[in-house]
Amino acid sequence: EAQVTQNPRYLITVTGKKLTVTCSQNMNHEYMSWYRQDPGLGLRQIYYSMNVEVTDKGDVPEGYKVSRKEKRNFPLILESPSPNQTSLYFCASSRGDRTIPPGNTGELFFGEGSRLTVL
Amino acid sequence: DQQVKQNSPSLSVQEGRISILNCDYTNSMFDYFLWYKKYPAEGPTFLISISSIKDKNEDGRFTVFLNKSAKHLSLHIVPSQPGDSAVYFCAASDYGGSQGNLIFGKGTKLSVKP
Repeated sequence: EAQVTQNPRYLITVTGKKLTVTCSQNMNHEYMSWYRQDPGLGLRQIYYSMNVEVTDKGDVPEGYKVSRKEKRNFPLILESPSPNQTSLYFCASSRGDRTIPPGNTGELFFGEGSRLTVL
Repeated sequence: DQQVKQNSPSLSVQEGRISILNCDYTNSMFDYFLWYKKYPAEGPTFLISISSIKDKNEDGRFTVFLNKSAKHLSLHIVPSQPGDSAVYFCAASDYGGSQGNLIFGKGTKLSVKP
């Protein structure tokens, strides 16, 4: 089954304690991205990766790190979490092919989300 | 500056009637538009998309209309069903550009009442 898997799904932590949210996709997608969803703000992009070893900042990258050592994995790292990083996080992937059309609907496949609370 | 705007945070319609969700964008370079649906405790799922070379795309009960001159798109759901109750995100991208990232609106919560 094609899917994007995030772990953990729920986490409560304290300020300053480093944590990693893992993301793995089994669709051989080139493009992967992290979003956070906050009330009234919708989905905001944190970081994205066009391919292995290629990452770039999204709209709200402060306080986050990512790495893309393998095609299937794209972990999100919070080196020193703060309460303003309390949010619902989504990992997503897509083929990343820019051909329009056919072959690319631009569709992103999302994971089920990771709810993070930083006390 | 918001490049993709969904100005209605919520919408309530009666089952069987039409739901119209609106989205405006500011970046004239956007050439691909998508709608995603999100249920509570789940990730967003792709619903329907439209390329800027078209002005309408239809998939079953869902139709997306694109008005490039007005920089406006809308999602029509006919007939609306209670299972359509969800948050709907509009998204846009300049896939011909250098990044091809999706920019999302803030979402509209649709409630379909039986």
